[in-house]
Amino acid sequence: KAGVTQTPRYLIKTRGQQVTLSCSPISGHRSVSWYQQTPGQGLQFLFEYFSETQRNKGNFPGRFSGRQFSNSRSEMNVSTLELGDSALYLCASSFPEGRPNEQFFGPGTRLTVL
Amino acid sequence: QQQVKQSPQSLIVQKGGISIINCAYENTAFDYFPWYQQFPGKGPALLIAIRPDVSEKKEGRFTISFNKSAKQFSLHIMDSQPGDSATYFCAASRGGGADGLTFGKGTHLIIQP
Repeated sequence: KAGVTQTPRYLIKTRGQQVTLSCSPISGHRSVSWYQQTPGQGLQFLFEYFSETQRNKGNFPGRFSGRQFSNSRSEMNVSTLELGDSALYLCASSFPEGRPNEQFFGPGTRLTVL
Repeated sequence: QQQVKQSPQSLIVQKGGISIINCAYENTAFDYFPWYQQFPGKGPALLIAIRPDVSEKKEGRFTISFNKSAKQFSLHIMDSQPGDSATYFCAASRGGGADGLTFGKGTHLIIQP
């Protein structure tokens, strides 16, 4: 079974621009979560989508948004980029009906904001 | 507010030794505690996880010990190998993992041959 895939793997943007990252979950997984990883703050939860609805949200500003499509693929968008948004953005998928809800991560998208 | 505190930040262990990483949590609503392993350039990989109704779980060379009253849990890697050199993260979640994971800051483990 193929793992979680994320595109693109690397991205360079400038301040003020916006960016869209994509995530394809493991086949059969219907929940997709997004995390930001930085050296200073570590891994932080952004939000989680299930059946095209945002179910949980972390403590990030409204510039960070996401959505999920009917095939469970998900995108996250960051508007008005700031230097501090430079990070590895990780997507994780899970089969939420299972207990516990094991999350499996993709390789991430490395975003650099100049 | 850091809800999951992980220590040590870095750890060097000789090949064949036992690696021990500790985590403490504050939120008593947490009921799912996974450990992840991350290699450079890769996403975190689920290693082992535990629920608070058991005090220990073992999978191969990896063991989680859980102390509910102390709100602490730890990862033990027996017979540590150079291939275990990676960054390890503990995490916690509510709702059996249904909520987002709250991660510790990570431990950079080096196994010396």
